[in-house]
Amino acid sequence: DGGITQSPKYLFRKEGQNVTLSCEQNLNHDAMYWYRQDPGQGLRLIYYSQIVNDFQKGDIAEGYSVSREKKESFPLTVTSAQKNPTAFYLCASSIIGDLPYQPQHFGDGTRLSIL
Amino acid sequence: DAKTTQPNSMESNEEEPVHLPCNHSTISGTDYIHWYRQLPSQGPEYVIHGLTSNVNNRMASLAIAEDRKSSTLILHRATLRDAAVYYCILRDSSGGSNYKLTFGKGTLLTVNP
Repeated sequence: DGGITQSPKYLFRKEGQNVTLSCEQNLNHDAMYWYRQDPGQGLRLIYYSQIVNDFQKGDIAEGYSVSREKKESFPLTVTSAQKNPTAFYLCASSIIGDLPYQPQHFGDGTRLSIL
Repeated sequence: DAKTTQPNSMESNEEEPVHLPCNHSTISGTDYIHWYRQLPSQGPEYVIHGLTSNVNNRMASLAIAEDRKSSTLILHRATLRDAAVYYCILRDSSGGSNYKLTFGKGTLLTVNP
């Protein structure tokens, strides 16, 4: 079955450490997204990419970085500059990013905690 | 972005219909109405979307008011698996930031056996 795979499911980070969250999709979607969700809150957009080798900042990009070297992969790095990284991170993809009727498909998330 | 207003929580009994309301009084003519749901510890799942007319799919129905200032997601027979947070989202089709989904806090639906 096609879908989005996020790994790991749980991740722990030490102070001052960078960590990378994996997101892979086999839906042949052009657009991919990273969202952050804090407890009891909605999702906020971190970064998005509509094509390979191109990506744009979302609403809360500070302290995060991404790459898009392959269509199916969009890893997110949480850097030490992100002072409050504890959250639930969700990756999504869609056929084309700028069509308002295309749904986004989400992975099951990575829960990041600080040790 | 146009905003939506949803009740914080609702309860339903299993096998009964559920009507989840959403107010969007500032909706523009180019905004699509989307609904997603999020089960505990999972990513959101697309449910349905519409522009002006009522819509049906295998998961739910979407009833849109004639003036488009409100909409209702209808689950025809709630099951325990429908217990989730339901999000009503507007997506602008006129250009700009329609690539992103702006999630509010949604409605937490509890289904009683």
